[in-house]
Amino acid sequence: KAGVTQTPRYLIKTRGQQVTLSCSPISGHRSVSWYQQTPGQGLQFLFEYFSETQRNKGNFPGRFSGRQFSNSRSEMNVSTLELGDSALYLCASSLGPRGQGNQPQHFGDGTRLSIL
Amino acid sequence: GQQVMQIPQYQHVQEGEDFTTYCNSSTTLSNIQWYKQRPGGHPVFLIQLVKSGEVKKQKRLTFQFGEAKKNSSLHITATQTTDVGTYFCAGGPDSNYQLIWGAGTKLIIKP
Repeated sequence: KAGVTQTPRYLIKTRGQQVTLSCSPISGHRSVSWYQQTPGQGLQFLFEYFSETQRNKGNFPGRFSGRQFSNSRSEMNVSTLELGDSALYLCASSLGPRGQGNQPQHFGDGTRLSIL
Repeated sequence: GQQVMQIPQYQHVQEGEDFTTYCNSSTTLSNIQWYKQRPGGHPVFLIQLVKSGEVKKQKRLTFQFGEAKKNSSLHITATQTTDVGTYFCAGGPDSNYQLIWGAGTKLIIKP
């Protein structure tokens, strides 16, 4: 079974630009969660989508948004990029019917975003 | 807000020594999960504990969930170089909410 696939793996942007990251979950998984990981901050939860609906949201500004498609693939978008947005963005999928709080998460390799 | 505190932040050990990381939650958890992230890699799910007082073993790794379901530990016996990485706990206060993540404990093997 193929794992969680994230594209692109690496991205370089400049301040003020916007970016879209993509995540394809494991086949059959309907929940997709996004995390930001920086060296000093650990894993910070962004949001979770299940059946095309945002089910949970972390404490990030509105510049961070996401969506999920009917095939469970998900995208996240960051607008008006800031230097502090440089991070590894990880996507994780889980089966989904029960809430994320009870589901093992299967992570992709991440997208490393660098803001110049 | 709900928090999961994980200590220590770093642990330096000689190869062959034991390693332990601890997680404490401010609220009762429905379950706790443990993940390992190798340097340059992504977190990989290790195990999930759901019962009060539960103890599970995976080879040299022993996972415990406290009686009150507020704390958990991961103990590695006789560390090896392959154990290097950061170990995260993540607690589910309720299945309707997102996992609450600890900050991780980085296991470093002294040369």
